[in-house]
Amino acid sequence: NAGVTQTPKFQVLKTGQSMTLQCAQDMNHEYMSWYRQDPGMGLRLIHYSVGAGITDQGEVPNGYNVSRSTTEDFPLRLLSAAPSQTSVYFCASSFVGVNSPLHFGNGTRLTVT
Amino acid sequence: DAKTTQPNSMESNEEEPVHLPCNHSTISGTDYIHWYRQLPSQGPEYVIHGLTSNVNNRMASLAIAEDRKSSTLILHRATLRDAAVYYCILRDQADRGSTLGRLYFGRGTQLTVWP
Repeated sequence: NAGVTQTPKFQVLKTGQSMTLQCAQDMNHEYMSWYRQDPGMGLRLIHYSVGAGITDQGEVPNGYNVSRSTTEDFPLRLLSAAPSQTSVYFCASSFVGVNSPLHFGNGTRLTVT
Repeated sequence: DAKTTQPNSMESNEEEPVHLPCNHSTISGTDYIHWYRQLPSQGPEYVIHGLTSNVNNRMASLAIAEDRKSSTLILHRATLRDAAVYYCILRDQADRGSTLGRLYFGRGTQLTVWP
């Protein structure tokens, strides 16, 4: 199993550009989520999904869109990148059960200039 | 909107036990306590979780207070590889609606291990 795969690992964008951060998992997990991590801020939840076709907002959803058309994929879209979105982004997945741990990807480091 | 409170940092010497505290005074009856750790330049990884009883696994032990308002992650013999940020989170499985997926990590505790 590959686990949770995030692409790309690194990305540099100019202000106003759009892009999609990809997240895929091969564990048939219902739950998937996106976090951003800034220095000294810990992990902050952006969006999450508890199954295909179901998404909801987390703590810091503004500026980001998500969709969940398949169980495996949960892309995060930045429609118009801003310098404030410079961060490291982590995707996580799990089964929807109390005994199911979260599995994290290795992150995407995004810089917006 | 983290529901847990942890110290910002802690230090330990190698091969000594480490007790990492977490306060969760507003915990509900259906919240499980999960611990994760994040090594430098990596994504977080699962450590342990529990509901009411103390739990042990190969990585650590979890001691849960009788009133469940606090818990402690115990590393029995710290190694240099245990230097990481440790996160304590609550996971509520009672509601399959809006609260199910909102897992808040907060800032965690930065553990430094000295040789």
